[in-house]
Amino acid sequence: DTEVTQTPKHLVMGMTNKKSLKCEQHMGHRAMYWYKQKAKKPPELMFVYSYEKLSINESVPSRFSPECPNSSLLNLHLHALQPEDSALYLCASSLDRVTYEQYFGPGTRLTVT
Amino acid sequence: DQQVKQNSPSLSVQEGRISILNCDYTNSMFDYFLWYKKYPAEGPTFLISISSIKDKNEDGRFTVFLNKSAKHLSLHIVPSQPGDSAVYFCAASAFTGANSKLTFGKGITLSVRP
Repeated sequence: DTEVTQTPKHLVMGMTNKKSLKCEQHMGHRAMYWYKQKAKKPPELMFVYSYEKLSINESVPSRFSPECPNSSLLNLHLHALQPEDSALYLCASSLDRVTYEQYFGPGTRLTVT
Repeated sequence: DQQVKQNSPSLSVQEGRISILNCDYTNSMFDYFLWYKKYPAEGPTFLISISSIKDKNEDGRFTVFLNKSAKHLSLHIVPSQPGDSAVYFCAASAFTGANSKLTFGKGITLSVRP
């Protein structure tokens, strides 16, 4: 099973709202990732977790706050977002940080109004 | 600075023929390369990968060729099927241990005509 699940599929939020994106995998992978993808662009790495610890933060604004409660779950907490943050947010996982193949979830389409 | 380049934004191929998707890179430290396929409103799906110690890797209808001296790789799909119509991303990584990450190209939109 190479499935990564993400909820919700779509999210519309105002600039003053607080919301969370969720990601789950049951492949026993110990590395998890958040990416942001704009239309006609490649995925851009935001955060990397390795063994539930934050490994990489690609200088993402603090209005995005990641959390890894356990080895299967990854959350992205959103607060005071801007309209330009509207994008497809992708979660991915890999066996570990030295395994290159990453498996992506279907993404959450976020619209900030 | 774009380290992974997919210079052709789109490709149209007749069903049953070969699709050749090209990718160039500039970073000589890259030692592992991957291809992903993406349908609209879905996440990228891992297709096939190749290590820099090889020059070819095959998986069913998909073959990836690596030319390290030219810093070029290509994905061959044969025979092409209408279900192959999607955006294909080339990605590369350099082994830096805990800081390894994938660098993606901009993608190529493949259309397979019935």
